[in-house]
Amino acid sequence: SQKIEQNSEALNIQEGKTATLTCNYTNYSPAYLQWYRQDPGRGPVFLLLIRENEKEKRKERLKVTFDTTLKQSLFHITASQPADSATYLCALGVTGNQFYFGTGTSLTVIP
Amino acid sequence: DADVTQTPRNRITKTGKRIMLECSQTKGHDRMYWYRQDPGLGLQLIYYSFDVKDINKGEISDGYSVSRQAQAKFSLSLESAIPNQTALYFCATSSGVYNEQFFGPGTRLTVL
Repeated sequence: SQKIEQNSEALNIQEGKTATLTCNYTNYSPAYLQWYRQDPGRGPVFLLLIRENEKEKRKERLKVTFDTTLKQSLFHITASQPADSATYLCALGVTGNQFYFGTGTSLTVIP
Repeated sequence: DADVTQTPRNRITKTGKRIMLECSQTKGHDRMYWYRQDPGLGLQLIYYSFDVKDINKGEISDGYSVSRQAQAKFSLSLESAIPNQTALYFCATSSGVYNEQFFGPGTRLTVL
């Protein structure tokens, strides 16, 4: 069956450290992958897109990698801050405009 | 003003009642989506529409119906609500090749 799995456990890290979140998928052939941030009680907000032929994308303190051989994306937040505390969702886009979200990882940055 | 709005924001109803959730957007996007979110299950796609005459079922469409009244409006109906439809419902829009999604603020629905 098709699956998108993110870190099953909540992630707690110390302020200033790098947070690394994983997104693993099976039985999909995504054309691209996106990462979203969701705060409690609010809708997700788009952060970054990476295409299947790209290995890495950066935006300010955010970095995303995409390994289609391993079927995995890693999402890094460097110099993390308490304001980065949220749930982060990955989403796969496949041909035919189909779009699938992972279950999300809760990140807490401890001051 | 918000680009994607949802009404109502909160609703408590009883089993068997008909409920309609409404979504409006000012982004000018052709594609609109309805998702539900349950704790630990992420976002599940209910229905999506790529233009006014196009409606498609998502992963969990049973018990739901939709209407795309105009490019800017997409409504979700629960014909006979049941308790396991208690969830947070999100509307979203997108456009372009890579479908960056823009979400509304959500509707928290409780079915007693």
